Amino acid sequence: NAGVTQTPKFQVLKTGQSMTLQCAQDMNHEYMSWYRQDPGMGLRLIHYSVGAGITDQGEVPNGYNVSRSTTEDFPLRLLSAAPSQTSVYFCASSGKGKQFFGPGTRLTVL
Amino acid sequence: GENVEQHPSTLSVQEGDSAVIKCTYSDSASNYFPWYKQELGKRPQLIIDIRSNVGEKKDQRIAVTLNKTAKHFSLHITETQPEDSAVYFCAGWDGAGSYQLTFGKGTKLSVIP
Repeated sequence: NAGVTQTPKFQVLKTGQSMTLQCAQDMNHEYMSWYRQDPGMGLRLIHYSVGAGITDQGEVPNGYNVSRSTTEDFPLRLLSAAPSQTSVYFCASSGKGKQFFGPGTRLTVL
Repeated sequence: GENVEQHPSTLSVQEGDSAVIKCTYSDSASNYFPWYKQELGKRPQLIIDIRSNVGEKKDQRIAVTLNKTAKHFSLHITETQPEDSAVYFCAGWDGAGSYQLTFGKGTKLSVIP
């Protein structure tokens, strides 16, 4: 099992560009989520999904879109990147109450 | 919704001493409390968890205690080693069954050789 995988590991964008962060899991978990981590702010929930076709907003959803067409994949889209979105992004999936994180994507918006 | 507070934000201990990190939660319906360890540049890793029907759980040098009445839980690390240096996060499981984990803001533990 690969667990939770994320691509890319690093990304630099210019203000106004759009991009998609990819996340996949092979554990057949229903629940998946996206967090951002900024210094001193801990882990903040952006969006989550409780199953294919179902998504909902977390604490900091503005500027991000998600979709869940399959159980395995949960991509995060930045519509128009802003410097405030410079952060480390973690995808996670949960099964039987335990949550596992992907390796993260370090995003810089210039 | 759930609110989880974590203290202290930084903690320095001498190698071999014990470390204790404390968290409080607000939602009395929350019933699952995991702890994560995050080394520099790495992902958070689940190290131990406890459910509300249990008061204490141990795994080698780490233990977690839960006081449901007071709504607080703690992480105890004994015989600390330099490799224990990391940021530790506590979390609470949303009592509404939505599977949302609410995280504390983290404790940076430094173990001084």
